[in-house]
Amino acid sequence: QPVLTQSSSDSASLGSSVKLTCTLSGGHRSYLIAWHQQHPGKAPRYLMRLEMSGRYEKGSGVPDRFSGSSLGGDRFLIISNLQAEDEADYYCETWDNMFRVFGGGTKLTVL
Amino acid sequence: QVQVVQSGPEVKKPGSSVRVSCRASGDTFSGSAFTWVRQAPGQGLEWMGQINPRFRALTTTDLFRDRASITADESTHTVYLELRSLRSDDTAIYFCARVDDDFGHIDYWGQGTLVTVSS
Repeated sequence: QPVLTQSSSDSASLGSSVKLTCTLSGGHRSYLIAWHQQHPGKAPRYLMRLEMSGRYEKGSGVPDRFSGSSLGGDRFLIISNLQAEDEADYYCETWDNMFRVFGGGTKLTVL
Repeated sequence: QVQVVQSGPEVKKPGSSVRVSCRASGDTFSGSAFTWVRQAPGQGLEWMGQINPRFRALTTTDLFRDRASITADESTHTVYLELRSLRSDDTAIYFCARVDDDFGHIDYWGQGTLVTVSS
């Protein structure tokens, strides 16, 4: 089954943009992934589904500032015009008939 | 509006069992799969297993296959996770989540249930 690799932390300034990366292990580069956001003490929230082509579909109510893109086995979550409330942990997820896997999560700090 | 609502916090002794429930709103439940994910304090998300009540399909990761049971009651739109032989490192928040019918990703999360295992 695939392994999803995320950097443990990232930071960006209020109002700027940030690009978080989730890398699929070799042999699984075509897999779809999903991005989830989790604020401290809260349940995760589904943000979007992202395909290898770069096509993405967001969940209900996800702001326009959130978008996705792909390059090979890398799946990106792009947050534009960063807001204070975007400070959170971000997890990527992938799945198959027999498994579900999460990346280790990226803690995003908004400066 | 899709809702996934879980049972309340639990405190258990080592060696005992716990059952956590997850009730989904009517339209959410029919034909959908539900999955269980846990998060230990300060840690990431760990998948435990999944059930599709309609097709009686069940998948459990190897790590929990001997200690965890996932069941569903279609009449009450409720999914259950039972974890046996509890240890202190089972202390975690347990999340129930709905799986998207078409693509298979998690699209709705329950609020989570804190299970504390302590003597």
